[in-house]
Amino acid sequence: GNSVTQMEGPVTLSEEAFLTINCTYTATGYPSLFWYVQYPGEGLQLLLKATKADDKGSNKGFEATYRKETTSFHLEKGSVQVSDSAVYFCALRNNQGGKLIFGQGTELSVKP
Amino acid sequence: DGGITQSPKYLFRKEGQNVTLSCEQNLNHDAMYWYRQDPGQGLRLIYYSQIVNDFQKGDIAEGYSVSREKKESFPLTVTSAQKNPTAFYLCASSNRDRDSPLHFGNGTRLTVT
Repeated sequence: GNSVTQMEGPVTLSEEAFLTINCTYTATGYPSLFWYVQYPGEGLQLLLKATKADDKGSNKGFEATYRKETTSFHLEKGSVQVSDSAVYFCALRNNQGGKLIFGQGTELSVKP
Repeated sequence: DGGITQSPKYLFRKEGQNVTLSCEQNLNHDAMYWYRQDPGQGLRLIYYSQIVNDFQKGDIAEGYSVSREKKESFPLTVTSAQKNPTAFYLCASSNRDRDSPLHFGNGTRLTVT
């Protein structure tokens, strides 16, 4: 079946530190991959996506590369800010019209 | 502005009562989804609909019901049969192609006492 596994949180970093949140997936075929961010009390917002192997998604300083050989889609940012504190979800979508399958989420806390 | 509207933001009900959560979208999306979020458990799919007048059960459909009579609307009813209804409920919509992301509403927090 299809599944997504993320590194467990919470992750606590100092401002300007380098961020990596690991995400690996299991899927049949060639899924599209997504990262979403959720701020407290709100819905999820799309952060970035990649739709085929070796694609790099990027937005607001965040990046993730679709690695088919390692079935991974790790989220990175070179210098985090306090405003990046949120919960981050990795997800895949495999079929037309199909559902989005989420990882369990990783809480990030950035301290000044 | 196009988007998804969930209402109300907070909802309180007594045990044994059915309650309906509203979800409306003006993005012209064919597909709509309901997810439930509990602390530490991520998001779990309740129901989804790929087209008007059709919907499928997700992973945790028991105790819930939906309808899709209009493209823009996908209301979720939490029935008295749902054993633990207190949760944060998120509605989403998308185009049907694999590359399209889901667009989420801001959620409804339901508390049942």
